[in-house]
Amino acid sequence: QVQLVQSGAEVKKPGASVKVSCKASDYTFTSYTIAWVRQAPGQGLEWMGWINAHNGNTDYPQKFQGRVTMTTDTSTTTAHMELRSLRSDDTAIYYCATDGGWFDPWGQGTLVTVSS
Amino acid sequence: DIQMTQSPSSLSASVGDRVTITCRASQSIGTYLNWYQQKSGKAPKLLIYAASSLQSGVPSRFSGSGSGTDFTLTISSLQPEDFATYYCQQSYSTPRTFGQGTKVDFK
Repeated sequence: QVQLVQSGAEVKKPGASVKVSCKASDYTFTSYTIAWVRQAPGQGLEWMGWINAHNGNTDYPQKFQGRVTMTTDTSTTTAHMELRSLRSDDTAIYYCATDGGWFDPWGQGTLVTVSS
Repeated sequence: DIQMTQSPSSLSASVGDRVTITCRASQSIGTYLNWYQQKSGKAPKLLIYAASSLQSGVPSRFSGSGSGTDFTLTISSLQPEDFATYYCQQSYSTPRTFGQGTKVDFK
């Protein structure tokens, strides 16, 4: 089964951008849809959107449209999620996961802290 | 957007107890319903997909049922390693949405 390994923790100032990466161990990377889910401290899970690694098609919920961009690099089997105009309430753990109708497997998570 | 509502939000139970968590969707989602377990500091783990299919490697004490708008996750005999937070999630449409979670702790 594919494994997803995410980039390390980030600390950003309000208004900045962050780019989180998610590297897949499997050469069949282009067959996957990669979803991003975040979890604020002590809170539940929130879907941020997904990207089809085969054709690059994306789907973002209205809440994040205009502020998030998801991309993939098939040469490195890596997915990226960039979130711009960061606010304090963007402080969260950001997870990637493959979505084949359910989220499995998941990356280990990346803590993004937004603080002045 | 489809709203997912879990109940209860938390429960206290003992080892060996039968535990039932319910999840209700704001509209019919067929069997496009998944369940996850999350332990503190860890990524969520898929338990049940398509309402009632047990993910490979998940103990058989976990089971899921339901269709349409009402779903249930049952743990037949709670084990020490099952104390965690459980989430339901619909995959009927986007945006994908989760229930608010049910925390299972020691009585």
